[in-house]
Amino acid sequence: NAGVTQTPKFRVLKTGQSMTLLCAQDMNHEYMYWYRQDPGMGLRLIHYSVGEGTTAKGEVPDGYNVSRLKKQNFLLGLESAAPSQTSVYFCASKGLAGPTEQFFGPGTRLTVL
Amino acid sequence: AQSVAQPEDQVNVAEGNPLTVKCTYSVSGNPYLFWYVQYPNRGLQFLLKYITGDNLVKGSYGFEAEFNKSQTSFHLKKPSALVSDSALYFCAVRDRGRGSTLGRLYFGRGTQLTVWP
Repeated sequence: NAGVTQTPKFRVLKTGQSMTLLCAQDMNHEYMYWYRQDPGMGLRLIHYSVGEGTTAKGEVPDGYNVSRLKKQNFLLGLESAAPSQTSVYFCASKGLAGPTEQFFGPGTRLTVL
Repeated sequence: AQSVAQPEDQVNVAEGNPLTVKCTYSVSGNPYLFWYVQYPNRGLQFLLKYITGDNLVKGSYGFEAEFNKSQTSFHLKKPSALVSDSALYFCAVRDRGRGSTLGRLYFGRGTQLTVWP
């Protein structure tokens, strides 16, 4: 099993450009999450999904959109990138049953110039 | 509202000495508590969790954590630190609510642990 994978690993954008980050998991997990990690801020939840076709806003959703068309994939979109979105983005997934832990991907380092 | 505090940005300890990384939490009701570790340029890895029962939880790589309800704390400990334990450690909490928020974690800001030889 590959677990949770993220594409791409690195990306540099110019202000105003758009891009999509892809998260894929092969564990048949119901729940998926997108976080951003900034120095001294810990991880902050951007959006999450509790199942195929459903999404919900997290702590810092502004400037991002998400889609969960397939159970195994969770896409994070930036329609018009801003320098404030320079960060490391992590995807995570979790199974449905019980208080199980979240499994994290390796991260995408995004720089917006 | 749920929140987690890790009062120390950095913890430095000599190899072979015991280590403690502190975490306190605020949540309505009884919490689920987690510790994760992040090595440089990697994603977070699960270390251990408290669900219910014994207040002392044992996890991966010789780590353990003690749940203290009266002090709302969940400190991470290891009896003898290794240089390879040097990493960024995150404490996280979630509530036991049902519905669409189920599974949502709230993370602390992280504590950088450095173990020197």
